[in-house]
Amino acid sequence: DAGVIQSPRHEVTEMGQEVTLRCKPISGHDYLFWYRQTMMRGLELLIYFNNNVPIDDSGMPEDRFSAKMPNASFSTLKIQPSEPRDSAVYFCASSALSTGGKSGYTFGSGTRLTVV
Amino acid sequence: KQEVTQIPAALSVPEGENLVLNCSFTDSAIYNLQWFRQDPGKGLTSLLLIQSSQREQTSGRLNASLDKSSGRSTLYIAASQPGDSATYLCALSTSGYSTLTFGKGTMLLVSP
Repeated sequence: DAGVIQSPRHEVTEMGQEVTLRCKPISGHDYLFWYRQTMMRGLELLIYFNNNVPIDDSGMPEDRFSAKMPNASFSTLKIQPSEPRDSAVYFCASSALSTGGKSGYTFGSGTRLTVV
Repeated sequence: KQEVTQIPAALSVPEGENLVLNCSFTDSAIYNLQWFRQDPGKGLTSLLLIQSSQREQTSGRLNASLDKSSGRSTLYIAASQPGDSATYLCALSTSGYSTLTFGKGTMLLVSP
């Protein structure tokens, strides 16, 4: 398996623009998570899905953020409009928690977002 | 709310030393605990996963222990090498269906 695949690896955009981050989880994993990492706050959970259904989005900072999972092999995180304070590394992770969480989590390589 | 603390925040050691990284948590009702490694500008690589029923896990030069009663986990690295330089993150879940709560990590530098 190629692991969790995220794209793009780097994104530089101007304030006010829409940004879409993409994630392909590991095949067979039924949980997908979006995390954000900053120097100040470390890794924070934004939202997670189980079987393509959003379970907890309480970590999404504001309405400018939205996430979808149209099928088991694809998820997007969208920021519209983007702001400089959104600059961070965004990670996607997947897990087969339905097996009792024994496999742990697998993370993608992340998308480094810079909003200027 | 579960809180995870990692001490020290940064550590610098000469090559060859054995070292211990610490992770403490406030709620002992954990399901499992995972240690990750993160290289600069890279993603997270899982190193070791300890289930709540286990006391330790070993992989090569790495050994992770778990003591739920005291709310602590340690990652022991034997005979450190410059290639071990990275940030090490501890994360835990409180159920088989809950999300991971991360510590802020320990940045390790191993000098040749």
